[in-house]
Amino acid sequence: DIQMTQSPSSLSASVGDRVTITCRASQSISPYVNWYQQRPGKAPKLLIYAASSLQSGVPSRFSGSRSGTDFTLTISSLQPEDFATYYCQQCNSTPYTFGQGTKLEIK
Amino acid sequence: QVQLVESGGGVVQPGGSLRLSCTASGFIFSSYGMHWVRQAPGKGLEWVSFMRYDGSNTYYVDSVKGRFTISRDNSKNTLYLQMNSLRAEDTAVYYCAKDRSGSSGYFFDSWGQGTLVTVSS
Repeated sequence: DIQMTQSPSSLSASVGDRVTITCRASQSISPYVNWYQQRPGKAPKLLIYAASSLQSGVPSRFSGSRSGTDFTLTISSLQPEDFATYYCQQCNSTPYTFGQGTKLEIK
Repeated sequence: QVQLVESGGGVVQPGGSLRLSCTASGFIFSSYGMHWVRQAPGKGLEWVSFMRYDGSNTYYVDSVKGRFTISRDNSKNTLYLQMNSLRAEDTAVYYCAKDRSGSSGYFFDSWGQGTLVTVSS
């Protein structure tokens, strides 16, 4: 199985900050890596697909990139509604594993 | 707009069975692959199962193989998850999710609100 090691597990930041979350795949994979946002008590929401494609309706302050087996989600300028938990996911092969999650909290 | 509504969750004793349903609307259900994803209380997301648009192939995480069965009725726009031999560790909110692709996992572009399954004596 492909493991997705996500870091950090938690992050404190302020409105307006730039933040980066990283996932490292346990083996070389195609860029079928996606990023989701989950607010408390809500279903996950797709932000980025195929490593760097922005899902329709998602603000442009969210972006994704890839370098080898490292995949990165960047939020360029945090807004109050961005404080949530973020998950990466690989869809290269089953099981379609998720990272452990990053809880983004207000500093 | 796309809507996915799960139902069928509840409290069940260890060893018991439960069938979850996910009713879809707002898109051509028979054209897309569908997933089940679960989240144990206070924990992260775990992919559980996937079924191709036409029901021809199914996939499972190892921990549920032989106990859970995914199925779909395209005439009713409904996805199912039959869960047998339930264990305490199956306790979770179960989400259904629509894939962008019909034949394999690509990305999950719509999710239901989830249904809670509690396995407890």
